[in-house]
Amino acid sequence: EAGVTQFPSHSVIEKGQTVTLRCDPISGHDNLYWYRRVMGKEIKFLLHFVKESKQDESGMPNNRFLAERTGGTYSTLKVQPAELEDSGVYFCASSRGPGQITDTQYFGPGTRLTVL
Amino acid sequence: DQQVKQNSPSLSVQEGRISILNCDYTNSMFDYFLWYKKYPAEGPTFLISISSIKDKNEDGRFTVFLNKSAKHLSLHIVPSQPGDSAVYFCAASDGGTSYGKLTFGQGTILTVHP
Repeated sequence: EAGVTQFPSHSVIEKGQTVTLRCDPISGHDNLYWYRRVMGKEIKFLLHFVKESKQDESGMPNNRFLAERTGGTYSTLKVQPAELEDSGVYFCASSRGPGQITDTQYFGPGTRLTVL
Repeated sequence: DQQVKQNSPSLSVQEGRISILNCDYTNSMFDYFLWYKKYPAEGPTFLISISSIKDKNEDGRFTVFLNKSAKHLSLHIVPSQPGDSAVYFCAASDGGTSYGKLTFGQGTILTVHP
């Protein structure tokens, strides 16, 4: 079974540009999460999809961030326009569901975003 | 406002000895706790978890202890092996209003010397 995949692995952009990160969850996993780790600090929750619906987006920093999950499969996270403080590693995770607290979240390798 | 804290940024241990990683939390609504391990250039990997109704959970060389009154949990690795060298993250979840959302600590870098 393939794990969670993320694309690209690295992205370097200039302030003001747009970047789109993609996550492909494990097949059959209804739950998809986005997290971010900035400068070696804690990993912070951004949002949670159940299938194509946003269950919890309380961690989204501001309206420059837009997340979508087309047809309940892969997800994209767009940052527009990017700011310096958006730099960090963006992790995607998925779990099978139906949303039990004990569902294990499987993480992808992350996308390292650098905004210059 | 950091609700999960790992106050030791790093820990160095000799192979074969015990590694003890600590984690404190402030949110009394947390009722499920996890440890994840992370190697460089990889995503975090689930290691072990514990529910708030228990005070200990064991899986091979890994044991997690939970002290609810102190809002403290720890991960014991016995015996430690060089392959255990990684960043360890403590995480917590509130099964009520925000199930699935994990709150992480800053991580502790464990180095196990041969």
